[in-house]
Amino acid sequence: KAGVTQTPRYLIKTRGQQVTLSCSPISGHRSVSWYQQTPGQGLQFLFEYFSETQRNKGNFPGRFSGRQFSNSRSEMNVSTLELGDSALYLCASSLNPGTLGTEAFFGQGTRLTVV
Amino acid sequence: AQSVAQPEDQVNVAEGNPLTVKCTYSVSGNPYLFWYVQYPNRGLQFLLKYITGDNLVKGSYGFEAEFNKSQTSFHLKKPSALVSDSALYFCAVRDSSNYQLIWGAGTKLIIKP
Repeated sequence: KAGVTQTPRYLIKTRGQQVTLSCSPISGHRSVSWYQQTPGQGLQFLFEYFSETQRNKGNFPGRFSGRQFSNSRSEMNVSTLELGDSALYLCASSLNPGTLGTEAFFGQGTRLTVV
Repeated sequence: AQSVAQPEDQVNVAEGNPLTVKCTYSVSGNPYLFWYVQYPNRGLQFLLKYITGDNLVKGSYGFEAEFNKSQTSFHLKKPSALVSDSALYFCAVRDSSNYQLIWGAGTKLIIKP
């Protein structure tokens, strides 16, 4: 069974640009959550999608957005990139929304560097 | 407010010795607790979880965790550390309002030969 796949693994972007990250969950999983990981802030929850609907959203500015497709694949978009957006972006999939009694499975992440 | 605390940024243990990585939590209602491990340049891997039942939970790679309700703690333990256990360990608790995970800051575990 394939795990959670995130693409690309590494990205270098310039301030002001926008970026789109992709996450393919484990087959059969319909919930996808996104996290930002930085050395100083740890893991910060961005948003969660279940059955193409955003269920929860973390405390991030509107420059961060996402969507989920009918095949459960999810994309995350960051517009007008800032230096502080440099981070490891992790995607997690789970069978049920909100880790209801089940664990989440993480992808390897996309390392975004903004210069 | 619901939260998770990992009081140690780093824990150093000699190979073969027992290890403990500490975690305390604050949550409304019954806690759903998780431990994850992150190896360099990798995503997070699930180790174990406590939902209900026995206070001692056994997980992957020989790890276990002890749930202590009175001390609101969920410390991760292993009887004999391996050099390959060196990694970043995260404790998390499920937010009772939206079921999302609230994460600790992480503890870097270094096992020295």
